[in-house]
Amino acid sequence: NAGVTQTPKFRVLKTGQSMTLLCAQDMNHEYMYWYRQDPGMGLRLIHYSVGEGTTAKGEVPDGYNVSRLKKQNFLLGLESAAPSQTSVYFCASSYPGQWTGELFFGEGSRLTVL
Amino acid sequence: DAKTTQPPSMDCAEGRAANLPCNHSTISGNEYVYWYRQIHSQGPQYIIHGLKNNETNEMASLIITEDRKSSTLILPHATLRDTAVYYCIVRVVSGGSNYKLTFGKGTLLTVNP
Repeated sequence: NAGVTQTPKFRVLKTGQSMTLLCAQDMNHEYMYWYRQDPGMGLRLIHYSVGEGTTAKGEVPDGYNVSRLKKQNFLLGLESAAPSQTSVYFCASSYPGQWTGELFFGEGSRLTVL
Repeated sequence: DAKTTQPPSMDCAEGRAANLPCNHSTISGNEYVYWYRQIHSQGPQYIIHGLKNNETNEMASLIITEDRKSSTLILPHATLRDTAVYYCIVRVVSGGSNYKLTFGKGTLLTVNP
């Protein structure tokens, strides 16, 4: 049982390049989330999903796209990376059914855009 | 969701109890109080949550005032590994499709030897 796994863990991009972050969970969770965290800041929600095939915008969705084609995977895409997207990205998932507020987080993906 | 206020930093001696306060004076009757922590460079970790009764688990205790306008997270015997940023979050737990948690800046707890 690996929990929530994020790949890659580190990536350096040039401005304008594209990339996809993959989040995989093996806990059969319905809900998945992508957050970003900048130095000295709390986490800010980018996008989230309440089930396979569904996605919704969070607080800071601009410049990102997501897909949830399979229940266990939640992909975060950057079509044209910008330096402002330099951040640490965290994926999380939570239980189906009665939601308790307990999110399970991955270890983070550190992205630098030059 | 109700807004929370936490001190930006606190210190605690190893082996002593760490008491982390959180103010949520605008909390509604159906909003729960959650605590998470984030050890440096790691993903946040759920600690505990409660509605109005005090709660305890293997990690910590949560004390909520009778008027629910503030709460305290207690780590009974702090260790160096408890050094982390602690987030207090207020959120409705209900049905529907809105399952988001909003994280503020939290309190940096430093446990000193």
